[in-house]
Amino acid sequence: SAVISQKPSRDICQRGTSLTIQCQVDSQVTMMFWYRQQPGQSLTLIATANQGSEATYESGFVIDKFPISRPNLTFSTLTVSNMSPEDSSIYLCSVEVTGWFSGQYFGPGTRLTVT
Amino acid sequence: DAKTTQPTSMDCAEGRAANLPCNHSTISGNEYVYWYRQIHSQGPQYIIHGLKNNETNEMASLIITEDRKSSTLILPHATLRDTAVYYCIVRATLNFNKFYFGSGTKLNVKP
Repeated sequence: SAVISQKPSRDICQRGTSLTIQCQVDSQVTMMFWYRQQPGQSLTLIATANQGSEATYESGFVIDKFPISRPNLTFSTLTVSNMSPEDSSIYLCSVEVTGWFSGQYFGPGTRLTVT
Repeated sequence: DAKTTQPTSMDCAEGRAANLPCNHSTISGNEYVYWYRQIHSQGPQYIIHGLKNNETNEMASLIITEDRKSSTLILPHATLRDTAVYYCIVRATLNFNKFYFGSGTKLNVKP
């Protein structure tokens, strides 16, 4: 298994500002992912955070709005830039685990409210 | 990845078995079926997964039809703490390990 923590757990931000969310895992993992969950909705994959190279973004998400860093195999950040109220969501990171179990473990999420 | 179809919501009496269906009629041979659940906006929690054989663990059982076009997650003795949104996801292990979530089923366990 993998234990994942996220900081902050929640925040309230003003429109036009940026927020950086941190994701820390307790073991080295190859693949990390970032998701967004808008109020009352399912999870939407934002991007794959690649260690040592640029993140791979899903359709509808761009690097200028959601820059991602992955400096090592246990840590990643997601920045939500130039925020608007439409960015109010829960942001979750996940890690891919391989071995006897192949699947993803999810962090607890960061609840972001933009006013 | 194959698209999945799940009922929007289901009710289940506490102590009874909860049977959650999932349709994945376009699944291909290398795609696994995964089940996760999300309790009140926490991070999704892994439940079980399988390829073609039925699977059982301490949380649940997964029944996959012979043609693999549908599956059922069974919680044998539902408790109030099992109230959550349950997501059925199909994923090819070669597809860069991405998960694409559908809308899921809200399971309401009632006393």
